[in-house]
Amino acid sequence: QVQLVQSGAEVKKPGASVKVSCKASGYTFTSYGISWVRQAPGQGLEWMGWISAYNGNTNYAQKLQGRVTMTTDTSTSTAYMELRSLRSDDTAVYYCARTISSVGATYFDYWGQGTLVTVSS
Amino acid sequence: EIVMTQSPATLSVSPGERATLSCRASQSVSSNLAWYQQKPGQAPRLLIYGASTRATGIPARFSGSGSGTEFTLTISSLQSEDFAVYYCQQYNNWPPLFTFGPGTKVDIK
Repeated sequence: QVQLVQSGAEVKKPGASVKVSCKASGYTFTSYGISWVRQAPGQGLEWMGWISAYNGNTNYAQKLQGRVTMTTDTSTSTAYMELRSLRSDDTAVYYCARTISSVGATYFDYWGQGTLVTVSS
Repeated sequence: EIVMTQSPATLSVSPGERATLSCRASQSVSSNLAWYQQKPGQAPRLLIYGASTRATGIPARFSGSGSGTEFTLTISSLQSEDFAVYYCQQYNNWPPLFTFGPGTKVDIK
């Protein structure tokens, strides 16, 4: 069965960086993209960006351009999201999600369990 | 950038009743709209994609409709496990990006 398993919770100081991993299993990793979505405490869902596991192409949300980098390691079927220059408002649960792209429908069909990143001095 | 709105923010419904949730896009997204359910402490779960296609394993009481800018998620007879927050999501081809609505919380009346 399809599974996305994320790395554990992180506590970081303002200005630091965090790198969250997402290990995929149960499907051909390079056949799908991975998106990252975050959710601040008590808030809604915010799309951060997408990476093609096939060729490494990326699209990032404009507000995070320059601070976020998404990569994949096809040898281990793992996706990574690195966020730099952390601020207190980056405190959130970060999710990875398998991304389906088809004609007329692009969506997230499987999600990781989430990784809580806390930014605090 | 396409802005998504959802109404109402909170919907109070009795078990067994019908729930109708609305999602509006600031410009046409054709049928490129999905719905997700999220319970406290859990990751979102895909319910509907392509505006009206149920995802694998989703009960038939969930249905989606609409196209263009107006979309609806209907839960025909609410079960106890359906009380949750529901988000709509659109995908824009150019610039390529996803946008979520702010969510509708369905709670027990």
